Amino acid sequence: AQSVTQLDSQVPVFEEAPVELRCNYSSSVSVYLFWYVQYPNQGLQLLLKYLSGSTLVKGINGFEAEFNKSQTSFHLRKPSVHISDTAEYFCAVGRDKAAGNKLTFGGGTRVLVKP
Amino acid sequence: DAGVIQSPRHEVTEMGQEVTLRCKPISGHNSLFWYRQTMMRGLELLIYFNNNVPIDDSGMPEDRFSAKMPNASFSTLKIQPSEPRDSAVYFCASSRERADLSGANVLTFGAGSRLTVL
Repeated sequence: AQSVTQLDSQVPVFEEAPVELRCNYSSSVSVYLFWYVQYPNQGLQLLLKYLSGSTLVKGINGFEAEFNKSQTSFHLRKPSVHISDTAEYFCAVGRDKAAGNKLTFGGGTRVLVKP
Repeated sequence: DAGVIQSPRHEVTEMGQEVTLRCKPISGHNSLFWYRQTMMRGLELLIYFNNNVPIDDSGMPEDRFSAKMPNASFSTLKIQPSEPRDSAVYFCASSRERADLSGANVLTFGAGSRLTVL
């Protein structure tokens, strides 16, 4: 079985400050890792994904995440946030094709960007 | 591309009534997922289909819930009878499963159907 833990349920941050959202996963097999963002009253949108290769992954809107296999982490960062980054962010883990094409999501981290 | 289309966007119903949620996946996508989102439990996978066939329905809460995918462009999630604890936002998502890794697990979500059972 696999699971995802997002350590912070809420993260308040001032505009133009950096932000880091923490994500840890557990799985007995190799996984794929994702970050999705959910703006108010909308569905989830893909921010970035790690499938293989370089452990530093760049996504949309200036976000990036680093896969750390030894720490089983996939933390999300942005060096300078905007008001428009206010949203809920979900870390997710997927398994390889043979194991089924589905994702397990973390509990989400709500980011509130203050002016 | 219109994306994943869900209807209705909002539904308010009374306990005991039947509820049917609908989803049209992105054309060409061969996997479809139903998720439920609540404050208490977060995002839960209810069921997913691949090539219109249910692959894993282990997340379906109980027999009151059923899902169908009669063709590649349409799926329904039905709750009968509905209960107040079913109140949640139900998301449909689709993806294209490819032989290589480039599309692995990349889901496109619909805007969701917010269900309130009184």
